[in-house]
Amino acid sequence: QKEVEQDPGPLSVPEGAIVSLNCTYSNSAFQYFMWYRQYSRKGPELLMYTYSSGNKEDGRFTAQVDKSSKYISLFIRDSQPSDSATYLCAMRRAGGTSYGKLTFGQGTILTVHP
Amino acid sequence: DGGITQSPKYLFRKEGQNVTLSCEQNLNHDAMYWYRQDPGQGLRLIYYSQIVNDFQKGDIAEGYSVSREKKESFPLTVTSAQKNPTAFYLCASSTTVRSYEQYFGPGTRLTVT
Repeated sequence: QKEVEQDPGPLSVPEGAIVSLNCTYSNSAFQYFMWYRQYSRKGPELLMYTYSSGNKEDGRFTAQVDKSSKYISLFIRDSQPSDSATYLCAMRRAGGTSYGKLTFGQGTILTVHP
Repeated sequence: DGGITQSPKYLFRKEGQNVTLSCEQNLNHDAMYWYRQDPGQGLRLIYYSQIVNDFQKGDIAEGYSVSREKKESFPLTVTSAQKNPTAFYLCASSTTVRSYEQYFGPGTRLTVT
């Protein structure tokens, strides 16, 4: 079983829809939670970052972490065609030999059509 | 512009040949990483380096080798011992290995036939 599971989709939504992307994980030691966005044939770029539990909002994007359920989410409001990309969740433990080691989900392919 | 460059964008090799992928950064970052991306598997860590002349194995280091002789450069060699070398390879860097934010290059797509 993978440490981080992410539904690969693909997910197709109309412009303006609310998108929900999710990851579950099995390792309770994960403390840092990230969402990366990757456009086709490009490298990923960091979109959102959350430490431990809670919510974080940045414009149309909201990241949620529920450590009790080992579940993280990324919500995109008023989705735009420019949001079409692969979204990857990533996690890391705190400290020690965990430095440098991000564990990624499989990525969800999102298409927002006009 | 500051960033990470990877070259070439596409690389083709015959089976049994070693091949070296280039990664250069001008962000003055101490830490650098190599990942492999396959369809449906996300990114998997091959090697990372905290500082010049130091590097550590990641989760899938077998069949790969790296060097870190300069702060700016972290080349990856895919050897003939790597069973399934065809993949998209991504290089990344961060200010230090403690940083959660990693900056990625554009990637190199390697095809071995």
